[in-house]
Amino acid sequence: GQNIDQPTEMTATEGAIVQINCTYQTSGFNGLFWYQQHAGEAPTFLSYNVLDGLEEKGRFSSFLSRSKGYSYLLLKELQMKDSASYLCAVRERRQLSFGAGTTVTVRA
Amino acid sequence: GAVVSQHPSRVICKSGTSVKIECRSLDFQATTMFWYRQFPKQSLMLMATSNEGSKATYEQGVEKDKFLINHASLTLSTLTVTSAHPEDSSFYICSARGGGSLSYEQYFGPGTRLTVT
Repeated sequence: GQNIDQPTEMTATEGAIVQINCTYQTSGFNGLFWYQQHAGEAPTFLSYNVLDGLEEKGRFSSFLSRSKGYSYLLLKELQMKDSASYLCAVRERRQLSFGAGTTVTVRA
Repeated sequence: GAVVSQHPSRVICKSGTSVKIECRSLDFQATTMFWYRQFPKQSLMLMATSNEGSKATYEQGVEKDKFLINHASLTLSTLTVTSAHPEDSSFYICSARGGGSLSYEQYFGPGTRLTVT
């Protein structure tokens, strides 16, 4: 199994940058995903990393270091609508396991 | 993109009754479907994994006789909560994965909010 750790909550100001860290331990790493989940809704896919390095997708970027068991999700130019829970998920073989999620609150 | 639907979106039932939740992949064939449960302010917990035409694989601690999963076709999986109790009240989310170029990503349905009174 995996131990997936990410901070519980983060608060940032509109227009700022926030970085959400995720550490994991797994024996059969097969990719790391970041999802966004608004309250009462299902998760929506944000990014996928399977090789080391940075993946950029508009205002969102995700980084992976497999040797360190570490990833981060970077949210730039924060908007109010970015207030949500961000889930780090690790795929081990063909099964996804989720971290507890980081609740990001964007303030004006 | 790949779309997964769930029905119903919300359901309220009485304790002791059974509830069926449907999960459909609308524009792709889902070789594998996953059922998750999420309690308030907690993460998604995998309940079971099902492959079309075979029995579901349940996670430890999930009662297979209580949560019946059927994956009879490549586009439909159902979860039946039998003899529901108030503690079964939760947000149930299905996820589907296809083959080929769709095999690396799981697509989530919109979720079903179950309330057992």
